[in-house]
Amino acid sequence: NAGVTQTPKFRILKIGQSMTLQCTQDMNHNYMYWYRQDPGMGLKLIYYSVGAGITDKGEVPNGYNVSRSTTEDFPLRLELAAPSQTSVYFCASITRLTQRMNTGELFFGEGSRLTVL
Amino acid sequence: AQSVTQPDIHITVSEGASLELRCNYSYGATPYLFWYVQSPGQGLQLLLKYFSGDTLVQGIKGFEAEFKRSQSSFNLRKPSVHWSDAAEYFCAVGASNFGNEKLTFGTGTRLTIIP
Repeated sequence: NAGVTQTPKFRILKIGQSMTLQCTQDMNHNYMYWYRQDPGMGLKLIYYSVGAGITDKGEVPNGYNVSRSTTEDFPLRLELAAPSQTSVYFCASITRLTQRMNTGELFFGEGSRLTVL
Repeated sequence: AQSVTQPDIHITVSEGASLELRCNYSYGATPYLFWYVQSPGQGLQLLLKYFSGDTLVQGIKGFEAEFKRSQSSFNLRKPSVHWSDAAEYFCAVGASNFGNEKLTFGTGTRLTIIP
């Protein structure tokens, strides 16, 4: 059981380049999230999705886009990379957040470290 | 909107000593509260959670946390720390409105254990 898989694990981009961070989960989870983690800042929610075809902005969506065409996949797109987007990105999933449906445990990927120069 | 404050950026504790990590939250309704731990270079692992009921919750690795509504707090405790507890700890609060279910994390507390 692979859980949440993120690719790539590491990437260096030049300013203005574009790329997509891939996230796939094989647990049939409805809810998926993208966070970025910066030193001393904790995890900030970029975008989230409560099911296929439904996405919504989190705290820090600017400069990013997402799509959710299937239950399994939730890619994060950076259109014009900027140095401020240098960070570690985590994808996570859960059946549903509330207690009736699950244990409340978010399953995290191992992270993608992105550097923009 | 919900928010979480972890006032201690870095805590150093001697091995075998007790530990308390502070967490304060802001949320208009009954919160869902979590503590996660992150070892270096790893993703996050759930330590424990509070949804309702008993305000003292037990988690993995000997950790516990107490929900205090009057203080809007959810502090994490361990009676005797081990060197393997050195990590970063994140408190999180969950919004529970259907279709708006997301976790907001605090900025984290880095725990260092000294022999």
